[in-house]
Amino acid sequence: AQSVTQPDIHITVSEGASLELRCNYSYGATPYLFWYVQSPGQGLQLLLKYFSGDTLVQGIKGFEAEFKRSQSSFNLRKPSVHWSDAAEYFCAVNTNNDMRFGAGTRLTVKP
Amino acid sequence: EPEVTQTPSHQVTQMGQEVILRCVPISNHLYFYWYRQILGQKVEFLVSFYNNEISEKSEIFDDQFSVERPDGSNFTLKIRSTKLEDSAMYFCASSEVPGGELFFGEGSRLTVL
Repeated sequence: AQSVTQPDIHITVSEGASLELRCNYSYGATPYLFWYVQSPGQGLQLLLKYFSGDTLVQGIKGFEAEFKRSQSSFNLRKPSVHWSDAAEYFCAVNTNNDMRFGAGTRLTVKP
Repeated sequence: EPEVTQTPSHQVTQMGQEVILRCVPISNHLYFYWYRQILGQKVEFLVSFYNNEISEKSEIFDDQFSVERPDGSNFTLKIRSTKLEDSAMYFCASSEVPGGELFFGEGSRLTVL
């Protein structure tokens, strides 16, 4: 069965600093990959997705992610973090119509 | 923009009571899902549903849980006899194609006392 690992439970960055959230997956083939964001008390909003093609994908709110097959990774990045980016971020893998989520990384943004 | 809607937004119930959570998926979507998120924990898959039957279910989705699409628009999750540990946020999602992007509702918070 596929699995998703987000090694960092909590990350704190200063506003304006760059950000990278890690995600690794375990699956025999290339799955469909997603990053979702969840603000406190809210639902899940899609940031970006990778199905095929260009391994660097752009998403909303200035986020991007890069799929690296050799590392089974799909890390999320943002060059300059804003205070409003403070939230929980979930990496997800969808194979055979079965989407599974990582444990999430909570992002705190310092002024 | 079409969206997934869920009702109620919050339900408080006594242990042992039946609860039905309702979802209206996006109208042209064919694949439906329920996920659960216990406070402060990860989002956990419960069940997927297609063509009026369950496609997959997790170990969490035991005999106390059931899903139904009673008409052309609603997709419901029933918990027959709630337990304290069922307290969580329950998210409904739908997708147009298998393996595609899931669109999530805002969630229904269930509190079991």
